[in-house]
Amino acid sequence: NAGVTQTPKFRVLKTGQSMTLLCAQDMNHEYMYWYRQDPGMGLRLIHYSVGEGTTAKGEVPDGYNVSRLKKQNFLLGLESAAPSQTSVYFCASGDKQERKPQHFGDGTRLSIL
Amino acid sequence: EDKVVQSPLSLVVHEGDTVTLNCSYEVTNFRSLLWYKQEKKAPTFLFMLTSSGIEKKSGRLSSILDKKELFSILNITATQTGDSAVYLCAVEVFTSGTYKYIFGTGTRLKVLA
Repeated sequence: NAGVTQTPKFRVLKTGQSMTLLCAQDMNHEYMYWYRQDPGMGLRLIHYSVGEGTTAKGEVPDGYNVSRLKKQNFLLGLESAAPSQTSVYFCASGDKQERKPQHFGDGTRLSIL
Repeated sequence: EDKVVQSPLSLVVHEGDTVTLNCSYEVTNFRSLLWYKQEKKAPTFLFMLTSSGIEKKSGRLSSILDKKELFSILNITATQTGDSAVYLCAVEVFTSGTYKYIFGTGTRLKVLA
């Protein structure tokens, strides 16, 4: 049982490069979330989605874009990476009844040089 | 501004000890409070609390919410080395027509053999 799968697990980028983080869930969950986790800051919400084709901004959306073209996938894009985006990124999903981020992926460790 | 504060920031105990972790919050439109355990990678969901005074229990872990004083505690009895982790508290709020989850910075627990 896969649950929530994030790819890649690690990536090093140069400032100004772009990349896309993929989150896939196999539980038919409506809600999906992208968080970043930095030392001393806890988990901060970047963007979230309440269903296929919908996205919304969280606490720290600047510099990121998202898409939810298919229910099982939630993509997080960095158009022009900056050192301030060095972080560990977590994707989570929740079902329609519970809503809460119930299942988390293992995270993507991203370093921007 | 919505705020979730966890204390202590870190804690070192010996196996068999009992620990109490605290989570206080100042938010508008509170809906529920959530506890997660984060070991090396993905946070895993522990409890969701919505009503004051009703204890949630799972094995050696228990939690209770006080909506009047705006805090929750997570108790772990007879601690084991496998309880070593970061414990995260999150508060669900309803704002701008949607539900959001605000995380605290976590309490790092280390249990020594």
